[in-house]
Amino acid sequence: EPEVTQTPSHQVTQMGQEVILRCVPISNHLYFYWYRQILGQKVEFLVSFYNNEISEKSEIFDDQFSVERPDGSNFTLKIRSTKLEDSAMYFCASLPSGQGLDQPQHFGDGTRLSIL
Amino acid sequence: RKEVEQDPGPFNVPEGATVAFNCTYSNSASQSFFWYRQDCRKEPKLLMSVYSSGNEDGRFTAQLNRASQYISLLIRDSKLSDSATYLCVVNTGGKLIFGQGTELSVKP
Repeated sequence: EPEVTQTPSHQVTQMGQEVILRCVPISNHLYFYWYRQILGQKVEFLVSFYNNEISEKSEIFDDQFSVERPDGSNFTLKIRSTKLEDSAMYFCASLPSGQGLDQPQHFGDGTRLSIL
Repeated sequence: RKEVEQDPGPFNVPEGATVAFNCTYSNSASQSFFWYRQDCRKEPKLLMSVYSSGNEDGRFTAQLNRASQYISLLIRDSKLSDSATYLCVVNTGGKLIFGQGTELSVKP
């Protein structure tokens, strides 16, 4: 079964540094999402992306965050100047087009981001 | 009121037990509903979608009541491998809203 893949699996970064998290969605999928989960807390929506632009973003997704689809396969989340509170698991998810946005999303295995 | 609220848990049950999880959601415009399973520090994995007519997948039965904005999951004959956190998830406008999860521990 096709999978959403994420790299790296674990990223350790100094506070204030930029970090880029990478995702390769399933090949025929066109809707992309980022979620995060702070340790011990619930999974939270960050942003959705379709047709090379942001569809919706949450309050968490402030000016320090950006997303990009630089080529036909990768979908990236950039945090410009990391803060301690950015430490979390970050999950990428995707959906195929043509089946409706109400279908279940397929999640990658996540990147654990640790800010020191 | 929280957007998606679940039983706080944890649930500790013996093998073979039947266990039920409850969930309520606040947005009546929500379009679709799911139970996901999450193992420790892993990604959420879809367990099943939930429909108003109720649906069953082996030992798992899910039910949705739109009028009362209530979702349930029943696990029969629980196995050790069912130990995980069960996430009630609601799709609102294309984004998934997660409950905080209910931890299940099945003991021999």
